[in-house]
Amino acid sequence: GNSVTQMEGPVTLSEEAFLTINCTYTATGYPSLFWYVQYPGEGLQLLLKATKADDKGSNKGFEATYRKETTSFHLEKGSVQVSDSAVYFCALSDLLLLQGGSEKLVFGKGTKLTVNP
Amino acid sequence: KAGVTQTPRYLIKTRGQQVTLSCSPISGHRSVSWYQQTPGQGLQFLFEYFSETQRNKGNFPGRFSGRQFSNSRSEMNVSTLELGDSALYLCASSLAENYGYTFGSGTRLTVV
Repeated sequence: GNSVTQMEGPVTLSEEAFLTINCTYTATGYPSLFWYVQYPGEGLQLLLKATKADDKGSNKGFEATYRKETTSFHLEKGSVQVSDSAVYFCALSDLLLLQGGSEKLVFGKGTKLTVNP
Repeated sequence: KAGVTQTPRYLIKTRGQQVTLSCSPISGHRSVSWYQQTPGQGLQFLFEYFSETQRNKGNFPGRFSGRQFSNSRSEMNVSTLELGDSALYLCASSLAENYGYTFGSGTRLTVV
């Protein structure tokens, strides 16, 4: 089945450092790809998405490019802030056309990021 | 615009009891999904509803069930609770496929 693998955490950075969180996927076809962020005690927030190969999703300084040739969707940010401390989840959309277009998200295990002042 | 609302936020139940969790999606969103989040298993798909029909179900025992009402609000029910059912249960709604899901803050269920 479809799956997502993302780098194990935790990741600890100093403020203004460069961030990369690696994410690779295994899927039949060409799923949409997402990054979600979860702050302590809260649900998941959609950070960015890309729906086809070579698409770049971006939001709040974060970017990720859908790379079909390497089946990757790595998250990057040029200068992290303390407020970016959270858990980041990479996910793919498993669209089941034979089930009326039902869609489910397949998540990686999450990467905890801590940014120190 | 109101987000996805889940009630209650916290719940403590005893083994063997049953529980019902509620979710109100964003207005206009007809697809509602449920996920279970635990430290060991991560985020796992429970089921997805669209226009009151369950279109997809994850690999969970029959004790886990759900439904969706005509106003798109959804409930999930867990019967005969086990300690292992302790988790954060997240509801999410979507406007359309590949649009991206908006998640609620979740219901933290503790089974003692």
